[in-house]
Amino acid sequence: DQQVKQNSPSLSVQEGRISILNCDYTNSMFDYFLWYKKYPAEGPTFLISISSIKDKNEDGRFTVFLNKSAKHLSLHIVPSQPGDSAVYFCAATSPQGGKLIFGQGTELSVKP
Amino acid sequence: DAGVTQSPTHLIKTRGQQVTLRCSPKSGHDTVSWYQQALGQGPQFIFQYYEEEERQRGNFPDRFSGHQFPNYSSELNVNALLLGDSALYLCASSLVYSGHLTDTQYFGPGTRLTVL
Repeated sequence: DQQVKQNSPSLSVQEGRISILNCDYTNSMFDYFLWYKKYPAEGPTFLISISSIKDKNEDGRFTVFLNKSAKHLSLHIVPSQPGDSAVYFCAATSPQGGKLIFGQGTELSVKP
Repeated sequence: DAGVTQSPTHLIKTRGQQVTLRCSPKSGHDTVSWYQQALGQGPQFIFQYYEEEERQRGNFPDRFSGHQFPNYSSELNVNALLLGDSALYLCASSLVYSGHLTDTQYFGPGTRLTVL
């Protein structure tokens, strides 16, 4: 049972435009959500997170939106840069803490 | 500030063998979690160690075991290797603060295990 889903395996965007990566979850107990970026041959790098008490969190070019009623979150990257090309994973955790539940990842390609 | 380190980088084993992977957490962190990432998938939680004890475990068989040392470093052991154990093994560290586990985990570069 996939509790966190990223339904788009890949996304291609032009440099300077907005990238929108989406993530859906099924477990209403999840209360903290994270986005990680992963380059080949490297471990995931923490990007941005959001608590379930908020609906938006911003950090520079990166903004995460949370819609609890729809059990949906999205990551916006504006403007997109070629260096943003990587696999992006969303992850969720419950109040108990501990394990992160990951989606399958979306490969973002930003073309110059 | 040293990040999470893992060794070795790559490892090739044959079916039935045993393997030990090592992890040193980020400076100041006291909790270590292990994940398995198969090709094309997201990382899957194996288990988590805090205060030298296994605190949580994912859906992995007993062939997967671990240990945490007093300096917070950790080992992942896998016995009786199967072809399906071929994957990237990731270690992540985090911090227990005021009795609560902070949720952000920081990952190492991983160990690529190939089972032939």
